[in-house]
Amino acid sequence: GNSVTQMEGPVTLSEEAFLTINCTYTATGYPSLFWYVQYPGEGLQLLLKATKADDKGSNKGFEATYRKETTSFHLEKGSVQVSDSAVYFCALSDQTGANNLFFGTGTRLTVIP
Amino acid sequence: DAGVIQSPRHEVTEMGQEVTLRCKPISGHDYLFWYRQTMMRGLELLIYFNNNVPIDDSGMPEDRFSAKMPNASFSTLKIQPSEPRDSAVYFCASSLIQWSGELFFGEGSRLTVL
Repeated sequence: GNSVTQMEGPVTLSEEAFLTINCTYTATGYPSLFWYVQYPGEGLQLLLKATKADDKGSNKGFEATYRKETTSFHLEKGSVQVSDSAVYFCALSDQTGANNLFFGTGTRLTVIP
Repeated sequence: DAGVIQSPRHEVTEMGQEVTLRCKPISGHDYLFWYRQTMMRGLELLIYFNNNVPIDDSGMPEDRFSAKMPNASFSTLKIQPSEPRDSAVYFCASSLIQWSGELFFGEGSRLTVL
């Protein structure tokens, strides 16, 4: 079946530190992969996506590369800011149906000045 | 264009009362989703609609939960009677007709059942 495993949080970093949030997946076929971000008091919003192997999604300084060989989609940012404090969700869609979007459990990131 | 609009943002009610949550999707989006978020279970898909028709309600926890979409611009999620374990944040999301996994979420309705 399809599933997503994210690194457990919470993660606390100092401003300008390097960020990695690990995500691995299990899927049949060729899923699309996503990172969503949830800022305090808000709904989730799409941060970046990748639809095929070796694709790199990027947005707002965040990057993630679709690695089929390691079934991973790790989120990285070179220098985090206080405003990046949020919960980050990895997700996959196998595109067979609208109900097949699987979210990870989320990783809370707190960036301190 | 306005995003997905949900109301109320916060609801506090007593056990046994009826709760109705409302959602207005983004205009032109043909898919509408209801999710529930709790600390214990994370994000759970409750039900989704395509062109106002319920497609999959297998995530609806019990008969106490019901959802409707009478037209393309409005949906409700109703809980009757409510119980303390229904306390959660309920999100509505919408997406375009071409299913791509890109969902646009509302700000959520935080429900507390006492």
